[in-house]
Amino acid sequence: KAGVTQTPRYLIKTRGQQVTLSCSPISGHRSVSWYQQTPGQGLQFLFEYFSETQRNKGNFPGRFSGRQFSNSRSEMNVSTLELGDSALYLCASSLSQGNSPLHFGNGTRLTVT
Amino acid sequence: GQNIDQPTEMTATEGAIVQINCTYQTSGFNGLFWYQQHAGEAPTFLSYNVLDGLEEKGRFSSFLSRSKGYSYLLLKELQMKDSASYLCAVRPATNDYKLSFGAGTTVTVRA
Repeated sequence: KAGVTQTPRYLIKTRGQQVTLSCSPISGHRSVSWYQQTPGQGLQFLFEYFSETQRNKGNFPGRFSGRQFSNSRSEMNVSTLELGDSALYLCASSLSQGNSPLHFGNGTRLTVT
Repeated sequence: GQNIDQPTEMTATEGAIVQINCTYQTSGFNGLFWYQQHAGEAPTFLSYNVLDGLEEKGRFSSFLSRSKGYSYLLLKELQMKDSASYLCAVRPATNDYKLSFGAGTTVTVRA
């Protein structure tokens, strides 16, 4: 079974631009979560989607948004990029039941200059 | 808020045992996960505890005490490939599928 796929792997953007990251979950997984990982803050929860609905949202500004499509694929968007948005963005999917763990993709490394 | 603490770094010798502690103070508790993350790679699931006690899975074991807000991951017969960051994560609520992560413990295995 294919794992979680994230594209692109690397991105370099300049301040003020916007970016869209894509995530394809494991087949059959309907829950998709996004996390930001930085050396100083560790893994921080951004949001979680299930059946095209956002169920949870972390403490990030409104510049961070996401959506999920009917095939469970998800995208996240960051507008008006800031230097501090440079991070590894990880997508994870799960069966969304009981003790089902998150399965992470390899992430998108975003660098804002 | 959620507070999850684990040591920043640990070093051990190949073949030895290392115990990584994790303490948590969260608004609720519906399970604790351990993940392994090698540099430049995705975190991978190691173990899950929701009831008190020890869960053993090969060379890795994980323990939970809910009353103490405490867990540990035990790595036995250390191998060089075990050098990685180990992340403790708590699921605070029953119907909440977000995880709160600790900052991670970097384990270095020396020959």
